[in-house]
Amino acid sequence: RKEVEQDPGPFNVPEGATVAFNCTYSNSASQSFFWYRQDCRKEPKLLMSVYSSGNEDGRFTAQLNRASQYISLLIRDSKLSDSATYLCVVTQTGANNLFFGTGTRLTVIP
Amino acid sequence: DVKVTQSSRYLVKRTGEKVFLECVQDMDHENMFWYRQDPGLGLRLIYFSYDVKMKEKGDIPEGYSVSREKKERFSLILESASTNQTSMYLCASSPGPYNEQFFGPGTRLTVL
Repeated sequence: RKEVEQDPGPFNVPEGATVAFNCTYSNSASQSFFWYRQDCRKEPKLLMSVYSSGNEDGRFTAQLNRASQYISLLIRDSKLSDSATYLCVVTQTGANNLFFGTGTRLTVIP
Repeated sequence: DVKVTQSSRYLVKRTGEKVFLECVQDMDHENMFWYRQDPGLGLRLIYFSYDVKMKEKGDIPEGYSVSREKKERFSLILESASTNQTSMYLCASSPGPYNEQFFGPGTRLTVL
């Protein structure tokens, strides 16, 4: 079983729509959680960390559900510039590296 | 601003050649990582290092080696390149194991 699983998509949504991605992780000892964004042919960049209480950054909201072992990303009022691949990332106690999901591809359509 | 640089953006090599990919970070980070990224497979960890001269195998170390002689520099070596090592190679660094990683721009390697 993969450490982190995501629906690969693609998600094609119109401008202004709200879209949500979920990601599940297998190890209950996972400690830190992130969402990264990767544009085509570019490197991944941190979008936001995910905190236990949930957190918001402008149009983006991240949630963590430890009991069900999933994290989510909600994007409101989608913009064309939101088109990218979104990577779910977790760490685990005792591990010295991050575990990346394979990413969910989002295309926002005019 | 954290900066991670990689020696080449694009590289074309022939089967059997020895290939060096270099990565430098300027934020005094302890941890450095090498990944490869292929369509449908996501990021796969090749090797990482949490200190100078220390290295740990990741998920797919076969065919690769690494060197970390200085804290800021982490090199990935393909001893004898093969066509199945054609990929995007990404280097990253982080201050600690539970922190975000900062990525370099990547090296797109083609082995003919």
